[in-house]
Amino acid sequence: IAGITQAPTSQILAAGRRMTLRCTQDMRHNAMYWYRQDLGLGLRLIHYSNTAGTTGKGEVPDGYSVSRANTDDFPLTLASAVPSQTSVYFCASSDPTSGRGNEQFFGPGTRLTVL
Amino acid sequence: KNQVEQSPQSLIILEGKNCTLQCNYTVSPFSNLRWYKQDTGRGPVSLTIMTFSENTKSNGRYTATLDADTKQSSLHITASQLSDSASYICVVSAVPWAGNMLTFGGGTRLMVKP
Repeated sequence: IAGITQAPTSQILAAGRRMTLRCTQDMRHNAMYWYRQDLGLGLRLIHYSNTAGTTGKGEVPDGYSVSRANTDDFPLTLASAVPSQTSVYFCASSDPTSGRGNEQFFGPGTRLTVL
Repeated sequence: KNQVEQSPQSLIILEGKNCTLQCNYTVSPFSNLRWYKQDTGRGPVSLTIMTFSENTKSNGRYTATLDADTKQSSLHITASQLSDSASYICVVSAVPWAGNMLTFGGGTRLMVKP
């Protein structure tokens, strides 16, 4: 693994189903983030984690949950998917102590369609 | 509310030509401004970062400028190549170590045609 990986690459999901998007990084970054990107809108923060064991809510957290059991993994769960959660989801990580400020390294994204 | 506005929303240029993308922000306090490049189907990748005291920063054919007084930034691409076709996203940070305090612009979608 090099950098950040996300799985699945894409998914079509029936409304009401539960779905977990996976994110793994091998850079030992303390901070990780989940964003959604919709056409015409900028990236919007869903949830974040500054370090393993802690999480926080972003701009659009409703309908999503996260966990951070260890440094490398940061899964995003949709408990009961709705069509408005159709989007492209990006996971990112950063190391605020690196001297690179808050540069975020993004995964390749997961394209989710909720029908 | 903190906002980052980018213009134009989309742009088509011929290969070899120059172009300039604009970013206006109303983020306070201000820590730094980054430009990211996002290829189709990929995640964004950082191109440049500028802090309050920096006016210009180059990365190859990409040159970013910052006017902290007018809260404007631009990204100039010189001698465009087909591989420059991408979305360019302006991101402003309020706090240098807080990755959850970024404000993203909507991006400019650039298409370079042969």
